[in-house]
Amino acid sequence: DSGVTQTPKHLITATGQRVTLRCSPRSGDLSVYWYQQSLDQGLQFLIQYYNGEERAKGNILERFSAQQFPDLHSELNLSSLELGDSALYFCASSVGVNPYEQYFGPGTRLTVT
Amino acid sequence: GQQVMQIPQYQHVQEGEDFTTYCNSSTTLSNIQWYKQRPGGHPVFLIQLVKSGEVKKQKRLTFQFGEAKKNSSLHITATQTTDVGTYFCAALHSGGYQKVTFGIGTKLQVIP
Repeated sequence: DSGVTQTPKHLITATGQRVTLRCSPRSGDLSVYWYQQSLDQGLQFLIQYYNGEERAKGNILERFSAQQFPDLHSELNLSSLELGDSALYFCASSVGVNPYEQYFGPGTRLTVT
Repeated sequence: GQQVMQIPQYQHVQEGEDFTTYCNSSTTLSNIQWYKQRPGGHPVFLIQLVKSGEVKKQKRLTFQFGEAKKNSSLHITATQTTDVGTYFCAALHSGGYQKVTFGIGTKLQVIP
């Protein structure tokens, strides 16, 4: 158990819909990262928040957005969903602002039908 | 964008054989991390290498960082079925804000 929690575990939705994925970092960690992992693909970095502020952006689509709240939990919003958005979405956290030693949550499996 | 090449993408070994996965970058790295993801699981942090030529060991796992800080390797001696999974390197490139780039991963199958 990494100490990072993600909800929900599974999500099935239709194309065009909008969903929200939630992540709570390890106690004491200020950075939250979001990753997308498609079948047989590596981990694609989407976005990082540090202590409530956006810190770095990766390959995040304009249809996707995220935020980190004062209690440090984070949400990833995915809108106008397409079939190709079906993937595992991982959240990770680390203590500081730099992406050293990240602890990953169990992931949310999103299926768009 | 900055990339890191990881090879091989797949590796099947007999239990007891050794295994190595490599990560290569065309630019100098600030540091490199290794993660393991078991089938159906999430990535788990294994180690971080920072210094040029650094070698670290964890039981049967040996991690190396190249002298030029452009490549790294993970070597497993005498593989066991518990080693099954995908091994990812995660590289931080020197200069500017440190944004991590994950390799494609090496999927290891161990045949008992």
